[in-house]
Amino acid sequence: GENVEQHPSTLSVQEGDSAVIKCTYSDSASNYFPWYKQELGKGPQLIIDIRSNVGEKKDQRIAVTLNKTAKHFSLHITETQPEDSAVYFCAASIEAGTASKLTFGTGTRLQVTL
Amino acid sequence: GAVVSQHPSRVICKSGTSVKIECRSLDFQATTMFWYRQFPKQSLMLMATSNEGSKATYEQGVEKDKFLINHASLTLSTLTVTSAHPEDSSFYICSADSNNYGYTFGSGTRLTVV
Repeated sequence: GENVEQHPSTLSVQEGDSAVIKCTYSDSASNYFPWYKQELGKGPQLIIDIRSNVGEKKDQRIAVTLNKTAKHFSLHITETQPEDSAVYFCAASIEAGTASKLTFGTGTRLQVTL
Repeated sequence: GAVVSQHPSRVICKSGTSVKIECRSLDFQATTMFWYRQFPKQSLMLMATSNEGSKATYEQGVEKDKFLINHASLTLSTLTVTSAHPEDSSFYICSADSNNYGYTFGSGTRLTVV
């Protein structure tokens, strides 16, 4: 089955700096890669996703890049703010017409300091 | 956007009793829903895939007789933890594939078994 590795496990940046989180996946058939933000005591919230027919996607301060050949994808957050502090999870799945299960990375705890 | 409502948000029960958790898709129909368990500072682990009108598919190592799943309608899936024990204490989260909005997660249920 799919295996998703995520690094780093913790990340501390100063407000205004950029943060980068990296994930690798094992199953070359995976074609959908979402990123989730989870705040303490809450469920994960989708912040951005990318499909394998696209190499990069951007939404305001958040961007995701995908390298299918190397089987890795990254989350980039620019101009970080204190409210970006949370745990971020990458995930991978195979979209095949019907809902298929997500495999999650181990998570990155991001702390944005003033 | 798509909304998944999960109840209760917190529940404390005595050891040996059963607890039911509800997951509802509010503004879309979900043929498939997913149930996850998350221990403190860990990633989401898929427990089972809930299919409307048919039996759930459980992940390896998850006891189907202990974690009963019912998906009787296109908007409701329930997870019942039977004969709960302290080791079942965890954060349980459901999700559903909302087509246009990807996998949407509920807000989670904190189960504490005393």
